[in-house]
Amino acid sequence: DIQMTQSPSSLSASVGDRVTMTCRASQSISTYLNWYQQRPGKAPELLIYAASSLRSGVPSRFSGSGSGTDFTLTISSLQPEDFATYYCQQTYTAPPITFGQGTRLDIK
Amino acid sequence: EVQLLESGGGLVQPGGSLRLSCAASGFTLSTYATSWVRQAPGKGLEWVSGISGSGDSTYYADSVKGRFTLSRDNSKNTLYLQMHSLRAEDTAVYYCAKDHTYNYATSGYYSDYWGQGTLVTVSS
Repeated sequence: DIQMTQSPSSLSASVGDRVTMTCRASQSISTYLNWYQQRPGKAPELLIYAASSLRSGVPSRFSGSGSGTDFTLTISSLQPEDFATYYCQQTYTAPPITFGQGTRLDIK
Repeated sequence: EVQLLESGGGLVQPGGSLRLSCAASGFTLSTYATSWVRQAPGKGLEWVSGISGSGDSTYYADSVKGRFTLSRDNSKNTLYLQMHSLRAEDTAVYYCAKDHTYNYATSGYYSDYWGQGTLVTVSS
């Protein structure tokens, strides 16, 4: 199975900051990489699919990039509602599907 | 509007069984693949099982293979996860999700709608 590793596991930032988090695959997955946001006590929500395609309705301050094994999620100007945990997911292969372990974004 | 409503969670003893349901509305289960993803307390997301839109193909994580069975009732537009031989490590919130693909044959699918989850606790 393809392993997904996210870094950092947690980070602290302030409203208005620009933040970047990374996701690395154990083998090349082209651009078959999705990002999800999960707020405390809530279900995950899709943010970005195919590495860089923003889901309809997701604010443009979110962006994704990368291909092969290395990917990034960037939030250009943090808003209070962005403090959450972010997961990457690879869908290069048929299931089993794998997620990264998550990056928790806290308020500094 | 797409909605997924899970039910059936609860407290069960180790070795016991439980059946989770996921009632879908706003789309037809036979036109999209759907999956179950779980989250143990304080932990990350773990994909558990998926079923193709045709219903012909089911997939399982190694951690549940042979113990869990995924099925569907098209007449009720409802997904079921039958869980047997439950272990403490199966304790988690279980989410069902609609996958933006028919049969997982093409790379690049994603889960575009999620239910709110149902809690399964395995404990004596």
